Amino acid sequence: QKEVEQNSGPLSVPEGAIASLNCTYSDRGSQSFFWYRQYSGKSPELIMFIYSNGDKEDGRFTAQLNKASQYVSLLIRDSQPSDSATYLCAVNRGRGSTLGRLYFGRGTQLTVWP
Amino acid sequence: DTEVTQTPKHLVMGMTNKKSLKCEQHMGHRAMYWYKQKAKKPPELMFVYSYEKLSINESVPSRFSPECPNSSLLNLHLHALQPEDSALYLCASSQDSGNRNQPQHFGDGTRLSIL
Repeated sequence: QKEVEQNSGPLSVPEGAIASLNCTYSDRGSQSFFWYRQYSGKSPELIMFIYSNGDKEDGRFTAQLNKASQYVSLLIRDSQPSDSATYLCAVNRGRGSTLGRLYFGRGTQLTVWP
Repeated sequence: DTEVTQTPKHLVMGMTNKKSLKCEQHMGHRAMYWYKQKAKKPPELMFVYSYEKLSINESVPSRFSPECPNSSLLNLHLHALQPEDSALYLCASSQDSGNRNQPQHFGDGTRLSIL
């Protein structure tokens, strides 16, 4: 079982719709969770992070965490063509020798069409 | 543009060359990272420096040699690379690698091509 799993997509949504990106992780003790956006040929850009169960909202983005189900998601409301990118889920176990190590999913490619 | 600056942006080198990648941040972060990323794959961790000391080496071949001269600078020295080492090399920093909640911020990367 991989440390972090994401649907690779591609996920295609129309402009103005809600895009839902999902991520599961295998280490039940994982502590912190990050979403990065990566445009083709560019570096990853941090867009959201969440540490506690529940929802965290920032503008059009909402991160949701359910530690009991080992599940984290990213919702993008009012999707725009400029949101078209690969979204990487990353998890920090936060203890022992793995301190500082991020475990990345393979990424979900999102396309928002006008 | 990011607050983590990497130079050069592009590098083409032969297999016998020696070159260095540079990374600089002025956010007061005490943890710095090197990643390698191949096309359509997630970043792969190579090295972690925490308070200028190497804390993680992900079994990277010795042809890659990291150096952290001070808390703001991180270098990656390259020697006798192979064509399969062609990739995007990313530097990242965070406030403290020991604090699980601190996000890592990436530079724009150096795109490396080995001839």
